[in-house]
Amino acid sequence: AQSVTQPDIHITVSEGASLELRCNYSYGATPYLFWYVQSPGQGLQLLLKYFSGDTLVQGIKGFEAEFKRSQSSFNLRKPSVHWSDAAEYFCAVVSNTGNQFYFGTGTSLTVIP
Amino acid sequence: KAGVTQTPRYLIKTRGQQVTLSCSPISGHRSVSWYQQTPGQGLQFLFEYFSETQRNKGNFPGRFSGRQFSNSRSEMNVSTLELGDSALYLCASSAGTSGYEQFFGPGTRLTVL
Repeated sequence: AQSVTQPDIHITVSEGASLELRCNYSYGATPYLFWYVQSPGQGLQLLLKYFSGDTLVQGIKGFEAEFKRSQSSFNLRKPSVHWSDAAEYFCAVVSNTGNQFYFGTGTSLTVIP
Repeated sequence: KAGVTQTPRYLIKTRGQQVTLSCSPISGHRSVSWYQQTPGQGLQFLFEYFSETQRNKGNFPGRFSGRQFSNSRSEMNVSTLELGDSALYLCASSAGTSGYEQFFGPGTRLTVL
C-alpha cells in the first residue's frame, strides 16, 4: 500500500537559513510525487511535482525537491528561507489506479527573525 | 481561470444534525476529491468522483456520502453529526487522469457542538 512519511513534525529555522524538509514514500512503482503548502486557514497550494525525468525539480517560491529512488525520498529544499514561508508543508504520492492522493502528516515550519 | 470554490466557508451544527457541503471545481476538471483535515489525523481521503461516478473511497463510515453532478460540481453530506466530525473539509479538483495534480479549495470549517 502507498504511504508517505514526514519524519519531522515541526521545524524552526532562522530567516535566511537553508531549509530541508524530509519525505519518504512507500510505493510499488514509479511514483507521482508532490509537495503542497498550507497557510493557516487556507487550502493547499501546489509547490512542485515529480512525474518522471530529471530528478531535481524546481517549484514556485524558490523551492526545489530531489527524487531519490534508492532512498525512496523526495525532500524539499530552499536555499534561503523567508518569514513568509512559515506554514504547513505536505508531501503526497498519488496512486496509479486512479486519482487518490496519499498525504504525509505534514511538517510545520516556523521562521524566526 | 477561477479556482476551486467551496461553500459555505464556515458552519456550526449540533450533534445529530446533518450537513451538506458544496464544491465547484475548476472549469474543465472532471475529478473532485474530498478530504477531512483534523489536527490529530491530518489529511484523510474521503472519496473521489469522476464524471458523476465515485471512483475511490476512503475509510469513513457510511454517514459520509457524496455525489457529483453533470457539471462536475460536487456535494458532500454528513448525516447524524458527531463531535468528532469537527474538521476542515477540503475539496480538490483535477483533470482526472491518473497523476494530475490536485487543486484545492479553501475548505469548509465545520464545527459540531
